Amino acid sequence: AQTVTQSQPEMSVQEAETVTLSCTYDTSENNYYLFWYKQPPSRQMILVIRQEAYKQQNATENRFSVNFQKAAKSFSLKISDSQLGDTAMYFCAFMKATGANSKLTFGKGITLSVRP
Amino acid sequence: NAGVTQTPKFQVLKTGQSMTLQCAQDMNHEYMSWYRQDPGMGLRLIHYSVGAGITDQGEVPNGYNVSRSTTEDFPLRLLSAAPSQTSVYFCASSRRGTRGSEKLFFGSGTQLSVL
Repeated sequence: AQTVTQSQPEMSVQEAETVTLSCTYDTSENNYYLFWYKQPPSRQMILVIRQEAYKQQNATENRFSVNFQKAAKSFSLKISDSQLGDTAMYFCAFMKATGANSKLTFGKGITLSVRP
Repeated sequence: NAGVTQTPKFQVLKTGQSMTLQCAQDMNHEYMSWYRQDPGMGLRLIHYSVGAGITDQGEVPNGYNVSRSTTEDFPLRLLSAAPSQTSVYFCASSRRGTRGSEKLFFGSGTQLSVL
């Protein structure tokens, strides 16, 4: 079974600064996907960024980038130039790539507050 | 496109009552799943389906039933609601295949309170 750990329950960052959210995972799989989802107060689940385990290059999406360390089973999210709209809960998630059946394993989430 | 539609958005039940949370998708996705979200617990998989007529249990299936008679619909049934089932429920779907099945489309959630 896979586990995803987000050890920080809350973080706060000043607007325009950079913040890094941590995530570690445990799996015996070699092929898998890792995700960061954002959940604003509207409750909608929004995919922020996705990483494929077989790709060594870290994924980036505009102000969002990841530091994927496969050997260390670490997958952190860096948000640059933080904006007030980034205030939300963020979930790290894992999915096996084999037996592709779209099952996600989520971490407990972290609440990020961006201060004006 | 409507995407994934969940109804109702809010529901209050009394202990022992039954109800069905509806989920429909119009993207012809083969895979559908139900998650519950509890404070401090993240989202946990309840049941999932890889196609019409095929369902299987996830991490927390007790107290819930599902069926998948059509590709579009995947209802979640609570036969006898308990306070422990107070939660926010999300339905999600994705298409089959090595490429693309990892992209889940989520509904907007149902907030359920069981008194």
